[in-house]
Amino acid sequence: GESVGLHLPTLSVQEGDNSIINCAYSNSASDYFIWYKQESGKGPQFIIDIRSNMDKRQGQRVTVLLNKTVKHLSLQIAATQPGDSAVYFCAENIEDHNAGKSTFGDGTTLTVKP
Amino acid sequence: DVKVTQSSRYLVKRTGEKVFLECVQDMDHENMFWYRQDPGLGLRLIYFSYDVKMKEKGDIPEGYSVSREKKERFSLILESASTNQTSMYLCASSPPGRRAQYFGPGTRLLVL
Repeated sequence: GESVGLHLPTLSVQEGDNSIINCAYSNSASDYFIWYKQESGKGPQFIIDIRSNMDKRQGQRVTVLLNKTVKHLSLQIAATQPGDSAVYFCAENIEDHNAGKSTFGDGTTLTVKP
Repeated sequence: DVKVTQSSRYLVKRTGEKVFLECVQDMDHENMFWYRQDPGLGLRLIYFSYDVKMKEKGDIPEGYSVSREKKERFSLILESASTNQTSMYLCASSPPGRRAQYFGPGTRLLVL
């Protein structure tokens, strides 16, 4: 069935290190993937997205990698800062004729140690 | 910047009450969504709407209804609140052709 999952529910890194958050998906028909960040007490915020015709996309300090062969998605955060501490969700966009519904993974809690 | 606002940050209601959660977005987005977020269960879609007066059931619509009379406003209604509807409720919107969603700050609902 369809599912979007994250490999680890928690990740702890030292400030300044690089972070890698992983996500596995099972729907080979998905064509668009999104990473969100949710800070405590707030709604999720868009970080970066990637379409299925790409395998890498870079933003400011973040990179998303997509491996369609093994249905794997990762978010890399360079030089992790305390402000990066949050829950990170991947979302898989399921082909839909209207509203662009997404299926969300459970989230990985990133803690940055000073 | 896109702004999605929700009428309340915290709400306490009693079992059996009718509850209205309001969501307003200011970017003329066609698509709007209601989710609930529970520990260990992630974000689950309750209802979504892709146009005024249009609505579609999500994964967990039971016990909920929605209303979209104006493009900018999407309301979630709990017809008769129950304790198992205690949760964080998140509203989101997105324009057509862009599937990333913009979320509101959430309403934490406690049903006693």
